[in-house]
Amino acid sequence: GNSVTQMEGPVTLSEEAFLTINCTYTATGYPSLFWYVQYPGEGLQLLLKATKADDKGSNKGFEATYRKETTSFHLEKGSVQVSDSAVYFCALQGAQKLVFGQGTRLTINP
Amino acid sequence: DADVTQTPRNRITKTGKRIMLECSQTKGHDRMYWYRQDPGLGLRLIYYSFDVKDINKGEISDGYSVSRQAQAKFSLSLESAIPNQTALYFCATSEWGETGELFFGEGSRLTVL
Repeated sequence: GNSVTQMEGPVTLSEEAFLTINCTYTATGYPSLFWYVQYPGEGLQLLLKATKADDKGSNKGFEATYRKETTSFHLEKGSVQVSDSAVYFCALQGAQKLVFGQGTRLTINP
Repeated sequence: DADVTQTPRNRITKTGKRIMLECSQTKGHDRMYWYRQDPGLGLRLIYYSFDVKDINKGEISDGYSVSRQAQAKFSLSLESAIPNQTALYFCATSEWGETGELFFGEGSRLTVL
């Protein structure tokens, strides 16, 4: 069945560091892929998405590229800020519903 | 006001009690979902509904039931709460054909003692 595996957290970085959060997936066909972000005390919100192979989703300085050959959708940001501290979820669109990874908690220190 | 509103936001109850979590939305979306969030397990789907007459079980529906009272309202019930149902519960909505782009409420934290 469909599944998503994210790198285990928590991840702690200093401000302005480079960020990578790994995400790999198992799926039949070529599902759309998503990154969601959950800020403290809030619900999840869509950060970016990609709907087909080689697509790059981007938003708020974050990027992720849909890699069919490695079944991956890694999240990257060149220079993180304290305000990026949150939990990040990778997800794929299965049959009529979304399948989430376990989440990666990111903390950015000033 | 939030587009997706959940009540209550926090609830502490005892084992065996009946609990209802309510969700209402002003986005006009047909599709509504209930997820459960546990540390290290991500979000798991409990139930989902594609319209008022459509209810579907998710991956962890045992011990839960739902009611879709109107397009805008989707309630989750725990008939007899148990401690391992202690979790953060999220309601979400999506447009028809846009299953991957969900809009979440702020969550309902439930503690079962």
